[in-house]
Amino acid sequence: EVQLVETGGGLIQPGGSLRLSCAASGFTVSGNYMSWVRQAPGKGLEWVSVIYSGGSTYYADSVKGRFTISRDNSKNTLYLQMNSLRVEDTAVYYCARDGSTSVYDCYFDLWGRGTLVTVSS
Amino acid sequence: QSALTQPPSASGSPGQSVTISCTGTSSDVGGYKYVSWYQQHPGKAPKLMIYEVSERPSGVPDRFSGSKSGNTASLTVSGLQAEDEADYYCSSYAGSNNYVFGTGTKVTVL
Repeated sequence: EVQLVETGGGLIQPGGSLRLSCAASGFTVSGNYMSWVRQAPGKGLEWVSVIYSGGSTYYADSVKGRFTISRDNSKNTLYLQMNSLRVEDTAVYYCARDGSTSVYDCYFDLWGRGTLVTVSS
Repeated sequence: QSALTQPPSASGSPGQSVTISCTGTSSDVGGYKYVSWYQQHPGKAPKLMIYEVSERPSGVPDRFSGSKSGNTASLTVSGLQAEDEADYYCSSYAGSNNYVFGTGTKVTVL
C-alpha cells in the first residue's frame, strides 16, 4: 500500500528541539520531491520545506535556519529536525509527496495523517 | 511569502454550483503555469482534487473543475453534494524554490 506515516510529535518547551519522521511505503522517498506542510490549530496550510530527488533542500522564511529536512534512503524515511522551537510553530505537521517532476509544477498527491507538535511552557 | 487570497466561505444548495477564487500575484499564480487544489474535511489530511490548473486525479468526480486567468485561479464544484462540505485550499509555486497555499475557503452545503 502506498502511504506516508508521520511520527515524533509531542509537547515541547519553547527553545527546544524535536525530530519528526515520515515513513514511506509503496514508493521511494529518494525518487520523489518530498515536502513538509504544517497547519496551526484552526488555521490554513503552510508549506514548510522541500527536498528534491537530487537532494537539494529549501525552506519557508519562517523556519529557515531552524529546521532541517533530510531523508534516509535505506529506511525510505523523510525527516524534519526542528530546533529553537517557538510557540508559533505549534501545528499539525504533514509530510507530502509531490506528484510532479518539475520544480514549477508542484502538487501534493499523497499525504500522511499528520503529527501534532505543541510548543508551550 | 504571502498566502494566496481566497474567500473565507462559500455556500450552495445541493445540486447547485459553487466557485472559489484564488488570487495571487505575478510572482506566483500569474507567473507560473500550474495551480493545484485540495479538499480537507475536519480532522483529516488534505486531498488533492485538481492539479496543473484543470487536471483531475483518478477517483475525483468530474463535478470538480479548475481554471486560471492571469493572477486568479478558480475551482468550481458543480452538482453540490453533502460530502463536498469541507475546506478547500489552492496552491502555487512562488519562485525561489518556495511554495504557497491559499488562505482557505469553507464550503457549506445548505
